[in-house]
Amino acid sequence: GAGVSQSPRYKVAKRGQDVALRCDPISGHVSLFWYQQALGQGPEFLTYFQNEAQLDKSGLPSDRFFAERPEGSVSTLKIQRTQQEDSAVYLCASSSQDRGLGEAFFGQGTRLTVV
Amino acid sequence: AQSVTQLDSQVPVFEEAPVELRCNYSSSVSVYLFWYVQYPNQGLQLLLKYLSGSTLVESINGFEAEFNKSQTSFHLRKPSVHISDTAEYFCAVIRSGNTGKLIFGQGTTLQVKP
Repeated sequence: GAGVSQSPRYKVAKRGQDVALRCDPISGHVSLFWYQQALGQGPEFLTYFQNEAQLDKSGLPSDRFFAERPEGSVSTLKIQRTQQEDSAVYLCASSSQDRGLGEAFFGQGTRLTVV
Repeated sequence: AQSVTQLDSQVPVFEEAPVELRCNYSSSVSVYLFWYVQYPNQGLQLLLKYLSGSTLVESINGFEAEFNKSQTSFHLRKPSVHISDTAEYFCAVIRSGNTGKLIFGQGTTLQVKP
């Protein structure tokens, strides 16, 4: 596709349920980022991939959060045993340049609501 | 630690009036500076960026921002706004030498009224 695609667009999960959020970056983009955006706040960094290598996961809030990009293209963010504080919009971004100094292209996000 | 502060959460303005959206950052190292815009029901889009060189940078739709190192600011300005500029604007920085992760401010909602 022409842009970054995220699925699902909306997800409602019961507390304790596991969820998986998918990101299809722009083809050929080296860098891939995940961000979490709480209501009324700016996005906050979660993790960064350069191709298939996860070079920075310092923003993952707990060990319940796990991200992978096994073939250097599609990425999945998994949240285990979801809690209410996990409710947020999860954004994926990709960039053609290493270190993301080029333009980062964002998907529309997945809105996760934990009930 | 570095942070980005957007001083106004909402800025209402009439069409064709000038506007300034303020952004200040704190960092102990050099940073690269960005403004992203989010139109209703759309994803974040890069508006403009400062990496090096001229401290005044411009976008294709009439916005400009000036990097002021002494005041650690990167305010966004437009001399005459349009209804279509109504959106959420985010200031962000990347720390020099970092992986490229963006540190965002809390955002400013620009509401352009007819």
